[in-house]
Amino acid sequence: DADVTQTPRNRITKTGKRIMLECSQTKGHDRMYWYRQDPGLGLRLIYYSFDVKDINKGEISDGYSVSRQAQAKFSLSLESAIPNQTALYFCATSETGRTDTQYFGPGTRLTVL
Amino acid sequence: QKEVEQNSGPLSVPEGAIASLNCTYSDRGSQSFFWYRQYSGKSPELIMFIYSNGDKEDGRFTAQLNKASQYVSLLIRDSQPSDSATYLCAVGANAGNNRKLIWGLGTSLAVNP
Repeated sequence: DADVTQTPRNRITKTGKRIMLECSQTKGHDRMYWYRQDPGLGLRLIYYSFDVKDINKGEISDGYSVSRQAQAKFSLSLESAIPNQTALYFCATSETGRTDTQYFGPGTRLTVL
Repeated sequence: QKEVEQNSGPLSVPEGAIASLNCTYSDRGSQSFFWYRQYSGKSPELIMFIYSNGDKEDGRFTAQLNKASQYVSLLIRDSQPSDSATYLCAVGANAGNNRKLIWGLGTSLAVNP
């Protein structure tokens, strides 16, 4: 089984809809991250969490919110989806005090029409 | 603004040749450096990390770090068509315990049979 899983893997939705992307991990890591990737813009950090009670905004948090339900679960919500949120979304994990290495889930391809 | 820069490519090499990928970074206090490989539509996967000046070898891959010149490189020996991918350089941002990775935009590598 994959260490970091994301659901759904693909999603097509309409402008104005609320969408939740979920991430779960079995690596036992305390740190979790949400990124989006757009062609030519690279990986951009949306939100990150260093433990269950710690949530931090990344460089592009506007229009997004997150919830850290447990150490192993980190969800990303788009409150009212808009077309320019069409992107590939990745969840990643890392472990405090180790190498800063981040491990990625398989990604969710989101299309907002 | 902490930055990581990579030549976007595409870098094209013949099968069996050495591919050389370069990355420069702006934060002189950075301590950790990573190379990830990303196939189109897939998630980034770690190739290797390096912390100390000099070379680190893992199979066909060698990472080279020069902190004085603020660059890190990745050499791929005996390049194979399966190495064709985008290579992402990431650098640990020096912000105490609140460290994140700063990502380059990636270099596209094409290995021609």
